[in-house]
Amino acid sequence: DAGVTQSPTHLIKTRGQQVTLRCSPISGHKSVSWYQQVLGQGPQFIFQYYEKEERGRGNFPDRFSARQFPNYSSELNVNALLLGDSALYLCASSLGVTDTQYFGPGTRLTVL
Amino acid sequence: EDQVTQSPEALRLQEGESSSLNCSYTVSGLRGLFWYRQDPGKGPEFLFTLYSAGEEKEKERLKATLTKKESFLHITAPKPEDSATYLCAVPPFYGGSQGNLIFGKGTKLSVKP
Repeated sequence: DAGVTQSPTHLIKTRGQQVTLRCSPISGHKSVSWYQQVLGQGPQFIFQYYEKEERGRGNFPDRFSARQFPNYSSELNVNALLLGDSALYLCASSLGVTDTQYFGPGTRLTVL
Repeated sequence: EDQVTQSPEALRLQEGESSSLNCSYTVSGLRGLFWYRQDPGKGPEFLFTLYSAGEEKEKERLKATLTKKESFLHITAPKPEDSATYLCAVPPFYGGSQGNLIFGKGTKLSVKP
């Protein structure tokens, strides 16, 4: 069975640009969560979506937004990129809101 | 404030040298404690979920245990392929998404042959 997939694998942007990251959940999973992981730290929660509705938001600025599509895939958008946005962005899917989360391989974003 | 603290930050073992990793947590009510393994540059891989004090789960050379304040990940006779960062996480009890996970910083385990 295919796990969580994310694209692209790596991305290099410059300050002020905008970026869109994509995630496809495990088949049958209806919830997608996004996390940011900077080097040496644990993942930090950004958003959770379930059945296309936002179910939670972490302590991130409004430059971060996300959405979930009818097929349960999801996009994370970050506007006006800052150097500090450089990180590994992780997507996790789960059957429901409180079920075990399974992570994708991540997208490595570098902001120059 | 809900919090997860892992210790040690790094652990170096010789192959076959058993040890334990610690995860202490402060949440108003525990709704599960999750252990993940993460290889460099990759996403976390799910290992275990524990829900109540006294619960234990095993997988190959790993055994996770849970008390009211902390969890331990015991590694028996580790091999070099067990080298990774081990992350512990809990969902918050109040506020925000009930599906959010609060992660510790992880323990980086290195096993030398």
